[in-house]
Amino acid sequence: EPEVTQTPSHQVTQMGQEVILRCVPISNHLYFYWYRQILGQKVEFLVSFYNNEISEKSEIFDDQFSVERPDGSNFTLKIRSTKLEDSAMYFCASSGVFKLAGGLPSTDTQYFGPGTRLTVL
Amino acid sequence: AQRVTQPEKLLSVFKGAPVELKCNYSYSGSPELFWYVQYSRQRLQLLLRHISRESIKGFTADLNKGETSFHLKKPFAQEEDSAMYYCALRVSNFGNEKLTFGTGTRLTIIP
Repeated sequence: EPEVTQTPSHQVTQMGQEVILRCVPISNHLYFYWYRQILGQKVEFLVSFYNNEISEKSEIFDDQFSVERPDGSNFTLKIRSTKLEDSAMYFCASSGVFKLAGGLPSTDTQYFGPGTRLTVL
Repeated sequence: AQRVTQPEKLLSVFKGAPVELKCNYSYSGSPELFWYVQYSRQRLQLLLRHISRESIKGFTADLNKGETSFHLKKPFAQEEDSAMYYCALRVSNFGNEKLTFGTGTRLTIIP
């Protein structure tokens, strides 16, 4: 069964450094997401991406964050200048898009990757 | 804004006993509700969604709009049910696909 993959599994970085977290969504999926989970807290939505542009973003997703689909398979999250409070588990997810009976689009189940643990020192 | 509440952080149940994991939500429209499960060292995976009205691994959940609840139930707990369970909500509106999660309940089945 196809799965979402993420690399690296664990990333340690110094405060102020840039990090890029990588995800390979399921190949026929068209909607992509990033979520994060700070230790002991809930899973929080960061951003969604469809049709080569950001579809939705949360208040957390400020100018320090960016997403990109650099080729046909990867989906990346960049944090420009990491802060201590960016330490968290980052999950990528993807979902398929299909048409409802009336022709309106809808998305399928979101499938999650295993996560990247980011530690900012 | 939508919100999901899971009042129990931890729940321990004896094997063979019934399980109920509580989930309440607040949203003024008609949401889609989901239960995701995370077994030890595994990824988040969908357990069930209210629109499919299925029973997966013996679990069921009914959306109660009057009580704004989507509690997860299983009549007889099994050891392999020990995991972290997250209730999540999505606004059913294309372009607003984000999942809003509850804080999760860690279920432990006592042999």
